[in-house]
Amino acid sequence: QSVLTQPPSVSGAPGQRVTISCTGSSSNIGAGYDVHWYQHLPGTAPKLLIYGNSNRPSGVPDRFSGSKSGTSASLAISGLQSEDEAAYYCQSYDSSLSVVFGGGTKLTVL
Amino acid sequence: EVQLVESGGGLEKPGRSLRLSCTASGFTFGDYAMSWFRQAPGKGLEWVGFIRSKAYGGTTEYAASVKGRFTISRDDSKSIAYLQMNSLKTEDTAVYYCTSTHYYDSSGEVYFQHWGQGTLVTVSS
Repeated sequence: QSVLTQPPSVSGAPGQRVTISCTGSSSNIGAGYDVHWYQHLPGTAPKLLIYGNSNRPSGVPDRFSGSKSGTSASLAISGLQSEDEAAYYCQSYDSSLSVVFGGGTKLTVL
Repeated sequence: EVQLVESGGGLEKPGRSLRLSCTASGFTFGDYAMSWFRQAPGKGLEWVGFIRSKAYGGTTEYAASVKGRFTISRDDSKSIAYLQMNSLKTEDTAVYYCTSTHYYDSSGEVYFQHWGQGTLVTVSS
C-alpha cells in the first residue's frame, strides 16, 4: 500500500491529453512538500520528468506539465505519443516517513 | 554526461549478505546525496534509502522495510556509493538502482535526478 495514491492505469489516443493524479495527506503533499514525477519505460533507467511540482529538467518536452493543489498533485501529458507509453510515479516527502512514492500509473497509448 | 553504474548484483541465498556498488562520473560526487531504489518483479519502484553529502553530515535515511538490515555508505575519493545488504530475504529480489539526489537543505526533502541502469539481485535457496 503506497503512501501516495495514483490510478493503476490511464489511457489515451495519440494526440490526446491525459492527466495522472497523485493524492497524499496533510503529512506529505498537504504539508507543503514538493511533488516530483518520474517516467519509467520497461528495461530502461527511470527518468526525472518534473521536479518541484512543475519544473521540467532540460530535455523534457513541454508536453509534460505538473501542478499541485492542497493534498494532491497532477501530471498532464498533452499531444500523446506512442513513446510516452510507460509507468509514471509521483514522489514527495513525509514528515514521519521520509521519502514517499505513489504506486505508479501505467499509461497506455491506444 | 552524468553516468551511474551499479554492480555487485547476483544470486545469493537467504540470510547471506551482498554489497552493491554505484560508480559515478560526470558530476562532483561529493556535493550530492546518493540514493538506492529497487523494483521487484511485477512491482513498482520502491525507495530503499539515501545518504546525504558530507556537507550535511553524511547521514542516512532508510525505508522501514530495510532499516536495520541495509546500510548505505559512500567513498567520495572514489565517487562510489555502496549498499550493504545483510540478512537477505527472498522478498529482496529486485533490480536495484542508484540515483544522484538533490537535497533541499531548508527542509530535508529530496528528489532523484539521474538514475543508473540497475543491477539484478536474486535471493533464493
